Amino acid sequence: QQQVKQSPQSLIVQKGGISIINCAYENTAFDYFPWYQQFPGKGPALLIAIRPDVSEKKEGRFTISFNKSAKQFSLHIMDSQPGDSATYFCAASSAGGSEKLVFGKGTKLTVNP
Amino acid sequence: NAGVTQTPKFQVLKTGQSMTLQCAQDMNHEYMSWYRQDPGMGLRLIHYSVGAGITDQGEVPNGYNVSRSTTEDFPLRLLSAAPSQTSVYFCASSPWGQNSPLHFGNGTRLTVT
Repeated sequence: QQQVKQSPQSLIVQKGGISIINCAYENTAFDYFPWYQQFPGKGPALLIAIRPDVSEKKEGRFTISFNKSAKQFSLHIMDSQPGDSATYFCAASSAGGSEKLVFGKGTKLTVNP
Repeated sequence: NAGVTQTPKFQVLKTGQSMTLQCAQDMNHEYMSWYRQDPGMGLRLIHYSVGAGITDQGEVPNGYNVSRSTTEDFPLRLLSAAPSQTSVYFCASSPWGQNSPLHFGNGTRLTVT
């Protein structure tokens, strides 16, 4: 059973456009939702994370939107740049540790110049 | 500051061979974990450790062993390699657990023939 469903699998955006990646979860025990960015040949790196006490978190051009009632969260990349081309993973876990961190299957983002 | 160092970067094994993937971190992190990454599958947790002397199973532990004798090192042992273990393996560490930023190594690409 896939605990975190991520879409789309791949995404192509023009430079300057907005990239949107969506994730959905079922387990209401989840209360920590990070996004990781991975470049080819490298390990993932934490990009931004949110907890359910806020509906939105912004860091530079990257914003997480969180909808607790719909059990969905999404990553928005504003003014997308070719350097943003990477694979993005959403993830979810519970603070108490009862639910291990589980990752979505990833979205390969390509930003065309 | 090296962060998380994984060796080797590449390895080819024959079915039935055993080997150890090395992972070392120099950040004095208590939490360490091993993931495997397969195309279209995201990252799946194999084993993790919350401190020296303490290990536990993740989502896909079969065929793998771990030990944690020091804070710095967390080796992953393949007991009898199988083609299904062909994957990219990532080691990660974090200060206090899965809900703090994971620092990933650059991975070991393993092929089992």
